[in-house]
Amino acid sequence: DQQVKQNSPSLSVQEGRISILNCDYTNSMFDYFLWYKKYPAEGPTFLISISSIKDKNEDGRFTVFLNKSAKHLSLHIVPSQPGDSAVYFCAASGSGSARQLTFGSGTQLTVLP
Amino acid sequence: KAGVTQTPRYLIKTRGQQVTLSCSPISGHRSVSWYQQTPGQGLQFLFEYFSETQRNKGNFPGRFSGRQFSNSRSEMNVSTLELGDSALYLCASSPMGVAGGHGNEQFFGPGTRLTVL
Repeated sequence: DQQVKQNSPSLSVQEGRISILNCDYTNSMFDYFLWYKKYPAEGPTFLISISSIKDKNEDGRFTVFLNKSAKHLSLHIVPSQPGDSAVYFCAASGSGSARQLTFGSGTQLTVLP
Repeated sequence: KAGVTQTPRYLIKTRGQQVTLSCSPISGHRSVSWYQQTPGQGLQFLFEYFSETQRNKGNFPGRFSGRQFSNSRSEMNVSTLELGDSALYLCASSPMGVAGGHGNEQFFGPGTRLTVL
């Protein structure tokens, strides 16, 4: 049973436009959510996170939105740049002994020049 | 600060052998977690260590084990290797327990690519 789902395996966006990556989760015990960017043969790079007590967090071109009632989060990248092309993973964690990250399956973002 | 380092970066073993992978966390981080990435299963949690104690373990067989040393460096061991153990093994460190650190943020190393023949 996938507790964290990224239903879009791939997304193509024109340079300068907005990229929106989506993620759904099922476990109500998750209270912290993260986005990672990954290139082949490298470890994931942390991008941005959000606690369940917030509904939005911004860091430069990256904004994460959390809709707890819908168990949905999204990552907005504005403006998109060709260097943003990578696989993006969302991850969720709980507290205490449930701090391990549960990852989605990833979305390949391609930003076209 | 230097990032998470993992050695070796690449490893080729044959079925039945055992392997030990090493991870050095970011300086000051005391929590180290291990993950396995495969094309079929994605990124899956193996175990987490904090202050030399295993705090949490994922759903992997007992052939997968780990330990953490007093300097927070960690090793994971896989015994009796199977073909299905071929994967990218990722180590992540977390500032959990560090004043001002967000304990749930984990920072990954480059991984060790293990190939079992």
